[in-house]
Amino acid sequence: NAGVMQNPRHLVRRRGQEARLRCSPMKGHSHVYWYRQLPEEGLKFMVYLQKENIIDESGMPKERFSAEFPKEGPSILRIQQVVRGDSAAYFCASSPPATDTQYFGPGTRLTVL
Amino acid sequence: AQRVTQPEKLLSVFKGAPVELKCNYSYSGSPELFWYVQYSRQRLQLLLRHISRESIKGFTADLNKGETSFHLKKPFAQEEDSAMYYCALKDTGFQKLVFGTGTRLLVSP
Repeated sequence: NAGVMQNPRHLVRRRGQEARLRCSPMKGHSHVYWYRQLPEEGLKFMVYLQKENIIDESGMPKERFSAEFPKEGPSILRIQQVVRGDSAAYFCASSPPATDTQYFGPGTRLTVL
Repeated sequence: AQRVTQPEKLLSVFKGAPVELKCNYSYSGSPELFWYVQYSRQRLQLLLRHISRESIKGFTADLNKGETSFHLKKPFAQEEDSAMYYCALKDTGFQKLVFGTGTRLLVSP
């Protein structure tokens, strides 16, 4: 099992552009979580998804951010019209159903110029 | 609100010395507590969880509800223990993890 995959590992965008971050969960995992880590801070929960459903988006900013986990393909975290404050490391985790253990990906480091 | 506090950003010890990484939490219900570790150039991985009551790589952590603490301990630190350690809390019935800011452990020879 290759583990949780995230791509790209590094992403550079200019202010106003869109950023798309992808997460492929581990085989057999139907639950995906996104976290954001700002410099000098811990990971902050953003959103929890199951296939085709958003279960908990209490940590998502109200504007410009969206997430999906389609029936086929990876989960996508989309940030529209990026601003400098969006620069951070974005981590994805996955878990199988009915378990507490989340397995983390290597993260995507977003830099907004 | 749920909160996890790790008061030390950096903890530096010599090999063979005891280690205690502090973690305090604020939560009104019955939380589940975890320690995650991130070694250099590796991804975040689960080290241990309080409900398992197990020792992993010589580390143990006891949940103290009276002091709302979940400190991570190891009697004799090894150089390979050098890493970033995060304490995390999960709300029973929910799936999201609430992380502390992390403590960097540096074990010198």
